Amino acid sequence: SYVLAQPPSVSVAPGQTARITCGGKNIGRKSVHWYQQKPGQAPVLVVYDDSDRPSGIPERFSGSNSGNTASLTISRVEAGDEADYYCHVWDSTSDHYVFGSGTKVTVL
Amino acid sequence: EVQLVESGGGLVKPGGSLRLSCAASGFSFSTYSMNWVRQAPGKGLEWVSSISSGSGYVYYADSVKGRFTISRDNAKNSLYLQMSSLRAEDTAVYYCARERITRADIDYWGQGTLVTVSS
Repeated sequence: SYVLAQPPSVSVAPGQTARITCGGKNIGRKSVHWYQQKPGQAPVLVVYDDSDRPSGIPERFSGSNSGNTASLTISRVEAGDEADYYCHVWDSTSDHYVFGSGTKVTVL
Repeated sequence: EVQLVESGGGLVKPGGSLRLSCAASGFSFSTYSMNWVRQAPGKGLEWVSSISSGSGYVYYADSVKGRFTISRDNAKNSLYLQMSSLRAEDTAVYYCARERITRADIDYWGQGTLVTVSS
């Protein structure tokens, strides 16, 4: 089955840039989506189709996808960005959705 | 406003059954594919099952295939998950979730309902 690998944690100082990676075999051929989840809350879509943002999501959130790695970049990080982030794809080989293992972003 | 409200969670013994429901409002339910996604305590998100708008396509995670059944009633704007032969590892918050476009991202999530499997 298709596997998405994320680093367990990323730490970043306020105002700096956080980059979260999502590794998968030929993930560049798939559409990747990213969700933010704060404690006790449902996930929120922050990037879809590799690099598009839903309405209401700040421009500070951006995405890219190529080769075997997709990335979510959070620019000018704020304390409110502290959360778990998950990547997500549809695997057409297995007809399954797949989530990454999640990355906890800590704002120092 | 899109709303997804899950219900039916609770405590059940191993081997038991439970039926989750999701009441949808604020959008044309019958035109969207829907999903169940779960999250065990302190763990990550795990996709459970998907159903197409007209119920013609259903998909299951390997971990639940043969034990869980997804269904929907478009006349009642409702999504269901019938769970049987429950195991301790099925303990999780179960989210109802809407696909923005079939086999694409999930743009709306409910607040979840907790299922606890324990003797």
